[in-house]
Amino acid sequence: EAGVTQSPTHLIKTRGQQATLRCSPISGHTSVYWYQQALGLGLQFLLWYDEGEERNRGNFPPRFSGRQFPNYSSELNVNALELEDSALYLCASSFSNRGNYGYTFGSGTRLTVV
Amino acid sequence: AQSVTQLDSQVPVFEEAPVELRCNYSSSVSVYLFWYVQYPNQGLQLLLKYLSGSTLVESINGFEAEFNKSQTSFHLRKPSVHISDTAEYFCAVSEVSGNQFYFGTGTSLTVIP
Repeated sequence: EAGVTQSPTHLIKTRGQQATLRCSPISGHTSVYWYQQALGLGLQFLLWYDEGEERNRGNFPPRFSGRQFPNYSSELNVNALELEDSALYLCASSFSNRGNYGYTFGSGTRLTVV
Repeated sequence: AQSVTQLDSQVPVFEEAPVELRCNYSSSVSVYLFWYVQYPNQGLQLLLKYLSGSTLVESINGFEAEFNKSQTSFHLRKPSVHISDTAEYFCAVSEVSGNQFYFGTGTSLTVIP
């Protein structure tokens, strides 16, 4: 069974540009979660999608947005990039409303803003 | 919302010594509890979880954690650590009635040869 896949693995952008990160969940998982892991700041919750809808959002500005497609894959967009957006972005998936299964994480996209 | 506290941000320990990584959570409802491990430049991997039943849960690589409801804790322990255990460890909580996770800030375990 394929795990959670994220692309690209590394992304270098210039300040002010836009970045698009992609995530494919495990087959059968309908929930996708995005986290930002900046150096020394632990995991910061960004967004939760389930069945194509945004279910919850963390404390991030509106330039962080995303969507979930009918096949449950997801895209995270970061507009007007700032230097402090440099971080590892992790995607996780789970069954909908099945917290006891835990999240399965991808290996992340390392975004560097220069 | 839940809150998860990992009191120790960094834990250095000598090889073959025991270690305990602490995790406390705040909740007035029933929860599921998890420990995840993150090796350098990788995503998070599930290490072990408590759902119900026996309060002591074990992983395949020698870690164990004990759920203590009265102290709202879920500390992770290993009696003898190896160099390969060097990693970041995250405690997480999920409400039984929901599925969003709340993560602690992580504990960096460094095993010293």
